[in-house]
Amino acid sequence: DGGITQSPKYLFRKEGQNVTLSCEQNLNHDAMYWYRQDPGQGLRLIYYSQIVNDFQKGDIAEGYSVSREKKESFPLTVTSAQKNPTAFYLCASSRITGGDNTGELFFGEGSRLTVL
Amino acid sequence: AQSVAQPEDQVNVAEGNPLTVKCTYSVSGNPYLFWYVQYPNRGLQFLLKYITGDNLVKGSYGFEAEFNKSQTSFHLKKPSALVSDSALYFCAVSFSGGYNKLIFGAGTRLAVHP
Repeated sequence: DGGITQSPKYLFRKEGQNVTLSCEQNLNHDAMYWYRQDPGQGLRLIYYSQIVNDFQKGDIAEGYSVSREKKESFPLTVTSAQKNPTAFYLCASSRITGGDNTGELFFGEGSRLTVL
Repeated sequence: AQSVAQPEDQVNVAEGNPLTVKCTYSVSGNPYLFWYVQYPNRGLQFLLKYITGDNLVKGSYGFEAEFNKSQTSFHLKKPSALVSDSALYFCAVSFSGGYNKLIFGAGTRLAVHP
């Protein structure tokens, strides 16, 4: 079945450690996104990518890094520079049509990161 | 600044009654409006969208939403609520020329009581 796979679903990290969250899609979508979800704050965009080897910062990129070496994959690294990394992280993808974002996002099941 | 507001943190409805989850937006240019639903510890699922055309949009699971340009609103509705509709609902907006930038509201928790 086509979809987006995020792993791991749950992750615990000690302060000062970097951690990488995996996101893979087999929908043949060009665009991929990482969102952070905190209670009562909705979703905030961390990074997005419209094409391989290119990505842009979202609203809260500080302390995060990404890569887009393959169309199917968009891993997110939460670095030790991120001050408050405990959150639910969601990866998504979408088609790009005509230069406007009229296509819906398809989301993975999320990764919950807890910093101990 | 582009923004989306969901004025209610929680909506409580009795099963079988109609439900409304409110959303207002502020964007420059033509808005593209979306509703998503999230069940506990899951990703978001797409419900419906308005791009252009008929102001009343029908979506998944019997939900519909009405685009009102003068009131800059896109309220989600369902004629008869089910207990299984209980979830977190997000309104989102993008806009012409706002390439791939989807802005989400804070979410509204819908609780449908038997």
